[in-house]
Amino acid sequence: SAVISQKPSRDICQRGTSLTIQCQVDSQVTMMFWYRQQPGQSLTLIATANQGSEATYESGFVIDKFPISRPNLTFSTLTVSNMSPEDSSIYLCSVATGIRLNTEAFFGQGTRLTVV
Amino acid sequence: RKEVEQDPGPFNVPEGATVAFNCTYSNSASQSFFWYRQDCRKEPKLLMSVYSSGNEDGRFTAQLNRASQYISLLIRDSKLSDSATYLCVVRGGNQFYFGTGTSLTVIP
Repeated sequence: SAVISQKPSRDICQRGTSLTIQCQVDSQVTMMFWYRQQPGQSLTLIATANQGSEATYESGFVIDKFPISRPNLTFSTLTVSNMSPEDSSIYLCSVATGIRLNTEAFFGQGTRLTVV
Repeated sequence: RKEVEQDPGPFNVPEGATVAFNCTYSNSASQSFFWYRQDCRKEPKLLMSVYSSGNEDGRFTAQLNRASQYISLLIRDSKLSDSATYLCVVRGGNQFYFGTGTSLTVIP
C-alpha cells in the first residue's frame, strides 16, 4: 500500500492566479497520476506524471495550463495556472505502487479548489 | 464511447436488502478490474479487486465476465454504512479508467 499526503486540502483563489498542489508518497512508486473530479462526476485523468521527464497529458489538458513536476519517485506537484471559475473542482493525486497489472491505485485526500 | 459505463443510480434500498451494481467496459484487452468506494467529500478507496473466478469479501461479492465485458458487485444485508458511491475501475496497461459511479443510499 501507499500513504499519500496531498496539500493543500482546500483553497479559495482569485481568478487569474495560480495554485500549486503537492503530493508526497511514503514510498517510491512507479506511477503517479493527477485527476480532476467535478461535483457529482467521476474522475477525469489530467496527466501521468513521469519522473525526470515531461508529463503525459490527456486530451483537453495542456502543459501551459497544468504544469506538472515529478523530481523523484515520491513527490509530484500540479499547478493550476491562470485560474478561472471553471477550474473549481477537486484535484486528486493517485499512485500505483507497482507495474504488476493487478496493482490497484491509491489516492490522496484531494484538494478542493474554489476559484472566485 | 466511454471506456467504462455504469448506471449512476441512485439506488435507495432499505437496510438488510441485497443490491447489485453492474458495469461494462469497452476494451477487451483490459487487464485488471476493481470496485472502489467513495464517500461524500472523500477520496476513492479500494473496496475489492475483481478476479476472473469471482471473489467474495464478507457481504460483498464481485464477478467478472470477460466474454460479455461486464463486472458486477453484489452487496448482501445492506447496512446504513454502505451508503456511498461505488466506482467501477478498469486497468489497461498503465492507465486506470473510472466509471461515473453508482450512488447507493441505505435507508433505515
